[in-house]
Amino acid sequence: KQEVTQIPAALSVPEGENLVLNCSFTDSAIYNLQWFRQDPGKGLTSLLLIQSSQREQTSGRLNASLDKSSGRSTLYIAASQPGDSATYLCAGPQGAQKLVFGQGTRLTINP
Amino acid sequence: GAGVSQSPRYKVAKRGQDVALRCDPISGHVSLFWYQQALGQGPEFLTYFQNEAQLDKSGLPSDRFFAERPEGSVSTLKIQRTQQEDSAVYLCASRRFRDGYTDTQYFGPGTRLTVL
Repeated sequence: KQEVTQIPAALSVPEGENLVLNCSFTDSAIYNLQWFRQDPGKGLTSLLLIQSSQREQTSGRLNASLDKSSGRSTLYIAASQPGDSATYLCAGPQGAQKLVFGQGTRLTINP
Repeated sequence: GAGVSQSPRYKVAKRGQDVALRCDPISGHVSLFWYQQALGQGPEFLTYFQNEAQLDKSGLPSDRFFAERPEGSVSTLKIQRTQQEDSAVYLCASRRFRDGYTDTQYFGPGTRLTVL
């Protein structure tokens, strides 16, 4: 059974800093891992999907890595901006269908 | 194009009432999922449809929860005899293909259910 854990639960940093969010998972047979963003009162928006054959994916100021052997993924945000403030969730698959989510990291970027 | 829509966005029910939550997936998406998200937690899987077939309902908390997708597009999650512990945000997601090896799920805004 897949279990996903995210650390820290909350993070507050000044604008402009680079930061790393962590995600760990128990089933190393994972075939992909996804990072989502959730704004208050909104649904989830997919940020990056890393397939097991890849080690990282990049989109703009975001870079996500996947290390299956250690059961870890990181989301790197460069030059953070107040608009990056949101909850970030990672999710791994269980089977071919359902996603198992971590508890999320609530990120606040202070101007 | 239009994303996943859900209605109502907010629902307040008295304990014991029945509620129905609607999901309109992205047109043409084969797969549809329901998740439950408690305050401060990540979403938890409830059930999955491939077209009109409900292939996995292992996450439904009790037999008070029922979901359907009769024509393979719109889906309804029904909760009978609501309890306070049912209070949560219910998220619907759709995915273009049958499997998720390379394809992401697209989420709706959710329905916030409050049971008094």
